[in-house]
Amino acid sequence: SAVISQKPSRDICQRGTSLTIQCQVDSQVTMMFWYRQQPGQSLTLIATANQGSEATYESGFVIDKFPISRPNLTFSTLTVSNMSPEDSSIYLCSATGANYGYTFGSGTRLTVV
Amino acid sequence: SQQGEEDPQALSIQEGENATMNCSYKTSINNLQWYRQNSGRGLVHLILIRSNEREKHSGRLRVTLDTSKKSSSLLITASRAADTASYFCATASGTYKYIFGTGTRLKVLA
Repeated sequence: SAVISQKPSRDICQRGTSLTIQCQVDSQVTMMFWYRQQPGQSLTLIATANQGSEATYESGFVIDKFPISRPNLTFSTLTVSNMSPEDSSIYLCSATGANYGYTFGSGTRLTVV
Repeated sequence: SQQGEEDPQALSIQEGENATMNCSYKTSINNLQWYRQNSGRGLVHLILIRSNEREKHSGRLRVTLDTSKKSSSLLITASRAADTASYFCATASGTYKYIFGTGTRLKVLA
């Protein structure tokens, strides 16, 4: 399966600021996704990152808050905008391709103070 | 929501014992996967079972799938302290998009 490098691994941010998380996959993948995992909870899908077009957001998530880019088949970014303490979570990217299963990045632990 | 529910929410066993956790889901699926997560880190893929399969093995792991009951189970045999983690099931129904269950926190006591 593919290997995903996700960074930063963790960050502490001031409220009102924005943080961009990057994921780089070591091979071309069909689909890339972004998840949020709030403390002690399961994973919630934020959006599907579409290559060369706007991401597809799940209910409860909007582009203004979580802008996503995917300029090519191996790279995507998620920005958490105008952060508040409620945005403190682990953010994970994942990817899948035609020839292998589902792979996750190591996650970004975000704390908003 | 298609989100799966897992039980138990938490499980504590002695090293060497078997651990069984269950996942139930709501809609028809193409496949179901199990993942492990250590201490809030990234998820590690354990096993995928397709909707036309009933049982799958991988090392000390055994997964069953009952599509009539919309449920799956993960059995870890001869557990080790290193198996301490959270375990999640994830289901896909026709697309690559997976919905995750609520998770089971397993603690294996040495």
